[in-house]
Amino acid sequence: NAGVTQTPKFQVLKTGQSMTLQCAQDMNHNSMYWYRQDPGMGLRLIYYSASEGTTDKGEVPNGYNVSRLNKREFSLRLESAAPSQTSVYFCASSASTGGEGTAGHEQYFGPGTRLTVT
Amino acid sequence: DAKTTQPTSMDCAEGRAANLPCNHSTISGNEYVYWYRQIHSQGPQYIIHGLKNNETNEMASLIITEDRKSSTLILPHATLRDTAVYYCIVRVRETSGSRLTFGEGTQLTVNP
Repeated sequence: NAGVTQTPKFQVLKTGQSMTLQCAQDMNHNSMYWYRQDPGMGLRLIYYSASEGTTDKGEVPNGYNVSRLNKREFSLRLESAAPSQTSVYFCASSASTGGEGTAGHEQYFGPGTRLTVT
Repeated sequence: DAKTTQPTSMDCAEGRAANLPCNHSTISGNEYVYWYRQIHSQGPQYIIHGLKNNETNEMASLIITEDRKSSTLILPHATLRDTAVYYCIVRVRETSGSRLTFGEGTQLTVNP
């Protein structure tokens, strides 16, 4: 049981290049999330997917797109990378699809992708 | 969304209890309090959550005041491996999904 896995672990891009960050979970979770963490700061939500087939914007969605490929996989795409997108990107998953009193809201995080845009 | 306030940093001696406070005075009646921690360079790790009652698990205890405006995370016997940033989060209720809003957290340093 690997939990949440992310690839790649490290990436360096030049301004204007594109790339896709991959995330997969093997816990049969409904919801998946993408966060970014800038140095010395807390995590900020980019996009999330409450269930297979749905995606929604988080706090900082500009410059990103996502795809919920199936229940296991949730990818994050940078179409034209900018230096401001230099950050550590974390993927997470949780069992819950929300709702009052719903159990399983705890999120499980992957190890992160360290992205540098020059 | 309810905002949380935590001290920027705290120190604790190894083997002693670490008590991490959190204020969430604008919490609404059905919002949960969650605690996560992040050890340097790793992804955050879920610790515990609660609504009204105090909670305990194998990692920690969570004490929520009766008016729910503040809470305390207790690590009963802190070890060096507990050195991390601890985040107190009030869950945003959504019709779908379960977004967490991370603040800057408390840097806990456990000293030998």
